[in-house]
Amino acid sequence: SQQGEEDPQALSIQEGENATMNCSYKTSINNLQWYRQNSGRGLVHLILIRSNEREKHSGRLRVTLDTSKKSSSLLITASRAADTASYFCATDGYNTNAGKSTFGDGTTLTVKP
Amino acid sequence: EAGVAQSPRYKIIEKRQSVAFWCNPISGHATLYWYQQILGQGPKLLIQFQNNGVVDDSQLPKDRFSAERLKGVDSTLKIQPAKLEDSAVYLCASSLAPGRGYTFGSGTRLTVV
Repeated sequence: SQQGEEDPQALSIQEGENATMNCSYKTSINNLQWYRQNSGRGLVHLILIRSNEREKHSGRLRVTLDTSKKSSSLLITASRAADTASYFCATDGYNTNAGKSTFGDGTTLTVKP
Repeated sequence: EAGVAQSPRYKIIEKRQSVAFWCNPISGHATLYWYQQILGQGPKLLIQFQNNGVVDDSQLPKDRFSAERLKGVDSTLKIQPAKLEDSAVYLCASSLAPGRGYTFGSGTRLTVV
């Protein structure tokens, strides 16, 4: 079964608005990553947040991690039409699960111009 | 730096035929992964290599799928014979080390008819 589960499955917003996507997972993690995938293309790594970190920023992206709730959120501020894509979270575990990221089924974001 | 190269980009085959995909990771990346992504789902790990050794192939359908990574660089994934349910995008990713985030190739879209 998938470790990470994104919510919502689909999100549609107007350009300039903020978009928030959530990810929940079941077992302890070493780190959590967010990826973007444009239609028909490979995944692009956005941010990696380690289990001892609570928040990370990269440009218009802000990721939070709450290990007590086993959840993470990705916030895209001032969205643009070019942000239209699917967003996936992936979790890396410990020991035998180290370095084997398990992906959720993604959130499809549509930003309308 | 050059990205992860994959070929072919698209492949259409009939069921029971065989097919092979090729991946050239980023230079110096010791860890290489093959993922299968069915339409509408997140990527699912098939096999993980560390240099030229297999770390995890627990989710690889070994009766029909095989993969190798000769000399710890390029890798090939083969399906023989293909089934209709193998229609998916096959993604190759590489990483400097486990837990460091992945760089994905553009993928090979396989259609089995």
